[in-house]
Amino acid sequence: AQSVTQPDIHITVSEGASLELRCNYSYGATPYLFWYVQSPGQGLQLLLKYFSGDTLVQGIKGFEAEFKRSQSSFNLRKPSVHWSDAAEYFCAVVGDDKIIFGKGTRLHILP
Amino acid sequence: DSGVTQTPKHLITATGQRVTLRCSPRSGDLSVYWYQQSLDQGLQFLIQYYNGEERAKGNILERFSAQQFPDLHSELNLSSLELGDSALYFCASSHGLSEAFFGQGTRLTVV
Repeated sequence: AQSVTQPDIHITVSEGASLELRCNYSYGATPYLFWYVQSPGQGLQLLLKYFSGDTLVQGIKGFEAEFKRSQSSFNLRKPSVHWSDAAEYFCAVVGDDKIIFGKGTRLHILP
Repeated sequence: DSGVTQTPKHLITATGQRVTLRCSPRSGDLSVYWYQQSLDQGLQFLIQYYNGEERAKGNILERFSAQQFPDLHSELNLSSLELGDSALYFCASSHGLSEAFFGQGTRLTVV
């Protein structure tokens, strides 16, 4: 069965520092992969997606993610975080007609 | 605005009661997903409907049921409510196997 693992429950970075959030998936075929962001009290907003093609995908708000089939990973990166990036981030995979989410990584930003 | 509408935004009810949560998907989206988000369990997939038919089932309790109507809106029925059912309930919609767009959620409080 497909699954998504986000190994970091919380991550804290300083404003202006670079960021990498980890995501590992389990799925037999080529996965459709997503990153979503959730601000407090809000619904989930799509940051970026990977279906096929170029393994480095660009998203909104300056985020990018790289699909690495050999490592079953789809890590999210941002070169310089802003205080407004503080939120919870979810990695997700589509397989067998449903979308499965990881447990999320809560990002804290230090001023 | 994702285009997915959930009502009501907030709901407070007593244990043992029954409530209905409503979701209107984005125009043209045939798939509707329901998720429960609580502090201890994270974002849990409950159930998916596609064009009126149940497509996939997740960790949905027997006390919970859902349906999708011919106009594609969906309802999630929660009965014999317990304190532990207090959570945010999200609806999402998608067009086929693509990214899902989330509503703002219904916050259910069981007292």
